[in-house]
Amino acid sequence: DAMVIQNPRYQVTQFGKPVTLSCSQTLNHNVMYWYQQKSSQAPKLLFHYYDKDFNNEADTPDNFQSRRPNTSFCFLDIRSPGLGDAAMYLCATSRRGTFQSYEQYFGPGTRLTVT
Amino acid sequence: KQEVTQIPAALSVPEGENLVLNCSFTDSAIYNLQWFRQDPGKGLTSLLLIQSSQREQTSGRLNASLDKSSGRSTLYIAASQPGDSATYLCACLTGTASKLTFGTGTRLQVTL
Repeated sequence: DAMVIQNPRYQVTQFGKPVTLSCSQTLNHNVMYWYQQKSSQAPKLLFHYYDKDFNNEADTPDNFQSRRPNTSFCFLDIRSPGLGDAAMYLCATSRRGTFQSYEQYFGPGTRLTVT
Repeated sequence: KQEVTQIPAALSVPEGENLVLNCSFTDSAIYNLQWFRQDPGKGLTSLLLIQSSQREQTSGRLNASLDKSSGRSTLYIAASQPGDSATYLCACLTGTASKLTFGTGTRLQVTL
């Protein structure tokens, strides 16, 4: 019954080596989000897709990119990971209506280690 | 810019106690407020969602209240159990972009 799935759960990459994290959902939600959470900190929104419209947060580094090829899948690409990018990456989905947005559902996260 | 604060940062209680976690926010123009649970190294589990028009929501031993005018929400946990040990995060949904702003959480430990 998994609703928001993230792969892999644990990812180790080398400094500067591109890495892609995957998120898929079975909820048919029109909004998908990527958050970064560093140790003992609150999750921080990187960007989100509303249908095919990409919305980047102003302080998200250019090193982070995202793709949403269809409703079900969304990818987070880190072009040149630095040691400071080691974190838990959380994917979430929600259904946005005309006047209101709804509950966000989170995946289990991918813990990224940069060596 | 929405800012969310949670007090206390950490809390330790003996099993069986009732407890209250606090959340405050600066921008009262919220769509909803969610309470989440996060176990160490894991993702977020949604516990309760309160719409802006609601005053409270209940699920089992959990009760969350919302007072928009004062910018406050509380999460009440009745008859705490060791399995309740986790970090509890509150988050407010604001703005046309539906941005969820999180507090830094309260780390709860329930001891035997």
